[in-house]
Amino acid sequence: QQPVQSPQAVILREGEDAVINCSSSKALYSVHWYRQKHGEAPVFLMILLKGGEQKGHEKISASFNEKKQQSSLYLTASQLSYSGTYFCGTEMWDSNYQLIWGAGTKLIIKP
Amino acid sequence: DSGVTQTPKHLITATGQRVTLRCSPRSGDLSVYWYQQSLDQGLQFLIHYYNGEERAKGNILERFSAQQFPDLHSELNLSSLELGDSALYFCASSVALGRQGAFADTQYFGPGTRLTVL
Repeated sequence: QQPVQSPQAVILREGEDAVINCSSSKALYSVHWYRQKHGEAPVFLMILLKGGEQKGHEKISASFNEKKQQSSLYLTASQLSYSGTYFCGTEMWDSNYQLIWGAGTKLIIKP
Repeated sequence: DSGVTQTPKHLITATGQRVTLRCSPRSGDLSVYWYQQSLDQGLQFLIHYYNGEERAKGNILERFSAQQFPDLHSELNLSSLELGDSALYFCASSVALGRQGAFADTQYFGPGTRLTVL
């Protein structure tokens, strides 16, 4: 029941905007967004909970459509430091509560 | 630095062996999560403990087991190792609690343990 992330990869110029999408076929309780740089651990960006609550960094924005089981992460005025692989994690019930991660979206920011 | 520590950083072992990975959560966090990250499988949730009790289970093999001790550190035991178990194993901690709320808060990931099975 792995969520589908799109696009798989994107290359931007510094200052450009990007949207990363995450879609699931199952009902979701929450969606999590993390960024991972090569050789490092994932770092928290945002949690979107069922019911509308969000927890995350001020400079990061995201949406969660509970009915469509979809979430989008919006990166505006991208900086070189935004480069990395972005993962969405979807909390769902599958014999017990689980956090299932997407395959990731690789983001490359060029100066 | 997330405040989560994992040891060892690297581990090289042979097929059929058993290893133990250790994780110390951030001060004050009662929840510990274990993840496996490999090139072909991506990031996989293995198991979640809250204050010593198992609270959520993912795609964890029967050869793998975990526990959380009274001082809140956790250990992941991997036995009868196979080549396919080679991966990066992350531990994360959080203030999240409860069954439905197991994933309701920020998870802070440790630096990981890279396991190589030869």
